[in-house]
Amino acid sequence: GAVVSQHPSWVICKSGTSVKIECRSLDFQATTMFWYRQFPKQSLMLMATSNEGSKATYEQGVEKDKFLINHASLTLSTLTVTSAHPEDSSFYICSARSSDRGGNTEAFFGQGTRLTVV
Amino acid sequence: AQSVAQPEDQVNVAEGNPLTVKCTYSVSGNPYLFWYVQYPNRGLQFLLKYITGDNLVKGSYGFEAEFNKSQTSFHLKKPSALVSDSALYFCAVRGIQAGTALIFGKGTTLSVSS
Repeated sequence: GAVVSQHPSWVICKSGTSVKIECRSLDFQATTMFWYRQFPKQSLMLMATSNEGSKATYEQGVEKDKFLINHASLTLSTLTVTSAHPEDSSFYICSARSSDRGGNTEAFFGQGTRLTVV
Repeated sequence: AQSVAQPEDQVNVAEGNPLTVKCTYSVSGNPYLFWYVQYPNRGLQFLLKYITGDNLVKGSYGFEAEFNKSQTSFHLKKPSALVSDSALYFCAVRGIQAGTALIFGKGTTLSVSS
């Protein structure tokens, strides 16, 4: 299957700093990527849909100024957690679906990023 | 609105026994249904999907799922469980439009004992 690489796998940062997480589709182009957040032993909650070359679409309740998403190319989307606080500590997962295989393909997921804000 | 329900938080089975992880869905129109597995601190791995066609879908690692339109269910099954199958399983649904995201169930922890 297609490969989605997410970096870093884990990061610890101080409260008030910003953290950037990268999501790359390695062997396919992805017009659309998705960012999810997962709390321990809970499901994945969709945060935003990232569209190449345009603004991301955020889900209700997700602060767009806090979670900045940039999708500058067909193979890279980034999520920046700005002015991070301990309550932002979570597992963040990106997902991408090939844009050249039609609408019925499965999504592929990155390995996730464990963010801990201290 | 689309939604997925996984009624069991945890399923326990003995190795070698058949396993079932339940999933029901609610979606307007024809659903695209998926099963993913997650190991600790890892991303999700795709197991199988139902788009159209045969109601019985076969996927990775010996898993299969049966689409039942009348019961709006898409239960995951395996004839003989392995200890290595122990993980967190997610059922997901999305609409047919290409740019729509997956909506996940809350997940079911499968524990297979030796």
